[in-house]
Amino acid sequence: AQSVSQHNHHVILSEAASLELGCNYSYGGTVNLFWYVQYPGQHLQLLLKYFSGDPLVKGIKGFEAEFIKSKFSFNLRKPSVQWSDTAEYFCAVEGLSGGYQKVTFGIGTKLQVIP
Amino acid sequence: SAVISQKPSRDICQRGTSLTIQCQVDSQVTMMFWYRQQPGQSLTLIATANQGSEATYESGFVIDKFPISRPNLTFSTLTVSNMSPEDSSIYLCSAGGDYGYTFGSGTRLTVV
Repeated sequence: AQSVSQHNHHVILSEAASLELGCNYSYGGTVNLFWYVQYPGQHLQLLLKYFSGDPLVKGIKGFEAEFIKSKFSFNLRKPSVQWSDTAEYFCAVEGLSGGYQKVTFGIGTKLQVIP
Repeated sequence: SAVISQKPSRDICQRGTSLTIQCQVDSQVTMMFWYRQQPGQSLTLIATANQGSEATYESGFVIDKFPISRPNLTFSTLTVSNMSPEDSSIYLCSAGGDYGYTFGSGTRLTVV
């Protein structure tokens, strides 16, 4: 069975600080990896995804993530956060399970950016 | 990517009753998914709904409690049956594709 661990459940940063949110997954096969963001009062939105190729993927709003296969990790980064980045961030892994593709989500990290 | 309209956005229901949640996708999608997001927890997959076949339920979820319909490639419903306060949660539908997964806006259900 696949699982996803997000290490930081609640992060508080000042504007312009750098951000790194950890994500590790457990799965023995080929995976697709995602980061989703949920702004207050809004629905989940895709931030970025990794399917194959360059392990460093860039998403919207200046976010990027690096897939390190040997570490089963897909950490999310942003060099300088803004107040508008306040949201909850979910790491997700898609893999083959029981004969079909299944997506498993991490518990989420609430990011609070202080002006 | 697909756009999903989900309704109702919220509801307050009496225990013992049932609520049907609808999701309409603006394009044809093969796979649709239903999730539950309980307070302070991550999204938990309830079932996968494929058109023309019965839904596939995850461990801990059964068809009698969460019947799902998928009459065509753009529409699906999830019914929460015989509700109890423990069913209070946010329910989300999702559609998958090569672009990733798109989510509906969620249904916040409160059972009293």
